[in-house]
Amino acid sequence: EAGVTQFPSHSVIEKGQTVTLRCDPISGHDNLYWYRRVMGKEIKFLLHFVKESKQDESGMPNNRFLAERTGGTYSTLKVQPAELEDSGVYFCASSQDPVSPLHFGNGTRLTVT
Amino acid sequence: GNSVTQMEGPVTLSEEAFLTINCTYTATGYPSLFWYVQYPGEGLQLLLKATKADDKGSNKGFEATYRKETTSFHLEKGSVQVSDSAVYFCSLAPRIQGAQKLVFGQGTRLTINP
Repeated sequence: EAGVTQFPSHSVIEKGQTVTLRCDPISGHDNLYWYRRVMGKEIKFLLHFVKESKQDESGMPNNRFLAERTGGTYSTLKVQPAELEDSGVYFCASSQDPVSPLHFGNGTRLTVT
Repeated sequence: GNSVTQMEGPVTLSEEAFLTINCTYTATGYPSLFWYVQYPGEGLQLLLKATKADDKGSNKGFEATYRKETTSFHLEKGSVQVSDSAVYFCSLAPRIQGAQKLVFGQGTRLTINP
């Protein structure tokens, strides 16, 4: 089966610009998660979708971040406007059900200059 | 709150050396514990897990034992290979919230020299 795919793999933008990251989970996986690793620190949970619904968005840092999962398939994470501290690696993960192990994508490295 | 503290890297070893990467945690209740690995250019992969005290997770020659008394989950391997070079992340899943809202440590970069 195809794994979790994320694109772009890298994105370099200027402060104040907008960036949209995309994640395609494994087909049939209703649960989709976004995580972020900022500047060599720990990976932190951002939010969790079950199908198209946001189950838990307690990790979203502020209202400059907007995640969507229309139709319950792929998901997008938009950062608008981007700030320097948003630089990091954004990981997406999916699972078949709430207790199965997560399958992670390769991540999108975001650099805000 | 929940947190994970793991050994700071980078760690550099010679091939066939013994590896230990320390991991301790703070959690309410009895979390599940995991080690994830990120090979160069790839995503995170689950390496091993343990769901209750005294469980030992193992995979690819790596082992870790869930020690409730010391709140630890140290990763060990008896003889490392160059192909083990990667970043290793210790993590926990608070049981009350299910297995997926993972809390990660900072990661330990491991380099194995031939």
